[in-house]
Amino acid sequence: AQSVTQLDSQVPVFEEAPVELRCNYSSSVSVYLFWYVQYPNQGLQLLLKYLSGSTLVESINGFEAEFNKSQTSFHLRKPSVHISDTAEYFCAVEGGSEKLVFGKGTKLTVNP
Amino acid sequence: GAVVSQHPSWVICKSGTSVKIECRSLDFQATTMFWYRQFPKQSLMLMATSNEGSKATYEQGVEKDKFLINHASLTLSTLTVTSAHPEDSSFYICSARSAGGRYNEQFFGPGTRLTVL
Repeated sequence: AQSVTQLDSQVPVFEEAPVELRCNYSSSVSVYLFWYVQYPNQGLQLLLKYLSGSTLVESINGFEAEFNKSQTSFHLRKPSVHISDTAEYFCAVEGGSEKLVFGKGTKLTVNP
Repeated sequence: GAVVSQHPSWVICKSGTSVKIECRSLDFQATTMFWYRQFPKQSLMLMATSNEGSKATYEQGVEKDKFLINHASLTLSTLTVTSAHPEDSSFYICSARSAGGRYNEQFFGPGTRLTVL
């Protein structure tokens, strides 16, 4: 079975500051890793994913995440955030059963 | 990208009534659909997995007789909450995946907020 731990439930930052949202996972098998974003009262949108290959993956809106197998981590980073990045971010893992296991989410609030 | 819709987006019902939520893949054939439940300020919990034309597979602790799932076509799955009670109030989200299994992305619907009075 897999599990996901998002270490921070809330992360407040100022606009244009860098941010890191932490995610650690546990699995006995190789995994696929995902970050999803959820805006208020909406469903989830895929932000980025790691399936194989390069351990650094990027999204089209400036986020990146690095798969670190030794530390079982998949932290999400952005060098400069915008007000529009305010949302809930979920880390998820898939361990071969086609089922996604989600972390509890991190609420990112970007203040002016 | 692929679009998944849910209907209704929100519903309020009286305790004891049944509510049906539809999940549609609008521009692709979804061989597998997933139903999740999200409590306020918490994560998504997988309720069940349904494959077109076969019975849904429920996660441990989910009452199959209370949460009826039908995946009658490659573009439609329904979740019926039978004899709803206030504790069933939640945000229900579906996702859909095309053939190819875990190599293909799951696309999520916008969710349905159920409030049982």
